[in-house]
Amino acid sequence: DVVMTQTPVSLSLAIGQPASISCKSSQSLLGTSGKTFLNWILQRPGQSPKRLIYQVSKLYSEVPDRFSGSGSETEFTLKISRVEAEDLGVYYCWQGTHFPTFGSGTKLEIK
Amino acid sequence: QIQLVQSGPELKKPGESLKISCKASGYTFTDYAMQWVKQAPGKGLQYMGWINTQTGKPTYADDFKERFVFSLETSASTAYLQINNLKNEDTATYFCARGIIRGDYWGQGVMVTVSS
Repeated sequence: DVVMTQTPVSLSLAIGQPASISCKSSQSLLGTSGKTFLNWILQRPGQSPKRLIYQVSKLYSEVPDRFSGSGSETEFTLKISRVEAEDLGVYYCWQGTHFPTFGSGTKLEIK
Repeated sequence: QIQLVQSGPELKKPGESLKISCKASGYTFTDYAMQWVKQAPGKGLQYMGWINTQTGKPTYADDFKERFVFSLETSASTAYLQINNLKNEDTATYFCARGIIRGDYWGQGVMVTVSS
């Protein structure tokens, strides 16, 4: 199985500060199609996960542009340019290139 | 709009079985696989597997190859997760999500409690 390693485990940031979350995979996520199926989702407290980013860097239409995704092969990053209160929750990366697996999550708290 | 609506919470005893549902609406059900994800209390997300909604073929992650059954009622745009011979460690919230590669829409989750 592809192991997804997320760091840090938690973040405590003030409103307006930038955030950065790393996700590393144990194998390249570049598929035979030439696409990389690395996704980011956010699970707010008491809610089901919500989609944020697919194929490394593509934002879903409803996601604010303060979010961005980057990376390739085995190293990926989710960035929030300026954290807002609604961004609190647990962020997960997960891959769909191989048999799907999730990262262990990064908890974002607001100071 | 696209929605996945799951059935309600369950309280079961060890050894019992349960079947939870995930009803899709707002899209053609057979255009996307349906995946299942487990979240134990206070823990992260664990991938269980998926079912091909065109063929009905399920694929299970290693930890879910016994006691777990994915099925469909295509005419009702509904996917099911059945858990047999329930154990305490099955206590968790179970989510369905559309598609294998993107998982772009998620159900609200079903909280399952297994306790004697």
